[in-house]
Amino acid sequence: GENVEQHPSTLSVQEGDSAVIKCTYSDSASNYFPWYKQELGKGPQLIIDIRSNVGEKKDQRIAVTLNKTAKHFSLHITETQPEDSAVYFCAASTADTGNQFYFGTGTSLTVIP
Amino acid sequence: DTAVSQTPKYLVTQMGNDKSIKCEQNLGHDTMYWYKQDSKKFLKIMFSYNNKELIINETVPNRFSPKSPDKAHLNLHINSLELGDSAVYFCASRLGGGKGYTFGSGTRLTVV
Repeated sequence: GENVEQHPSTLSVQEGDSAVIKCTYSDSASNYFPWYKQELGKGPQLIIDIRSNVGEKKDQRIAVTLNKTAKHFSLHITETQPEDSAVYFCAASTADTGNQFYFGTGTSLTVIP
Repeated sequence: DTAVSQTPKYLVTQMGNDKSIKCEQNLGHDTMYWYKQDSKKFLKIMFSYNNKELIINETVPNRFSPKSPDKAHLNLHINSLELGDSAVYFCASRLGGGKGYTFGSGTRLTVV
């Protein structure tokens, strides 16, 4: 099955700096890569996703890049704010109905004011 | 108008008891899931149902039994609770075609 690795496990940045979280996957059949943000006491929330036919996607301060050849994808947060502090999860899946997501182990991001 | 709702939010119970967690989604999604999140935040899939049919059943003790009365509901029943069952359990749903999950807010189960 799919194996998703995520680094780093913890990340601290100063407010206004950028944060980058990296993931690798093993199954070349994976073609859908969502990112989730989990705030304390809440369920994970989808913040951005990318499909394998796209190399980069941006939504305001958040961007995701995908390198299919190397089987890795990254989340980039620019101009970080304290409210960006949370645990972030990457995941990989095929887009087929019912197929599960394989989650990374999470990155705890702290933005220091 | 909560999209995926779980009840209860907190559950504290003694070892050996039987308990249930309920999940309902009003998104019209076809597939529902149960995930377990341990103290290290790792998300591990337990079960998945597609249109009331079980499609994923990971290596989970048979003390855990999911039930899906219709495609909007997926409940989780746990028999003979053990200390190691303490975790946060998340229900999620997904629409076919490759969009992401919508998660519920979780049920924090504490077995004492």
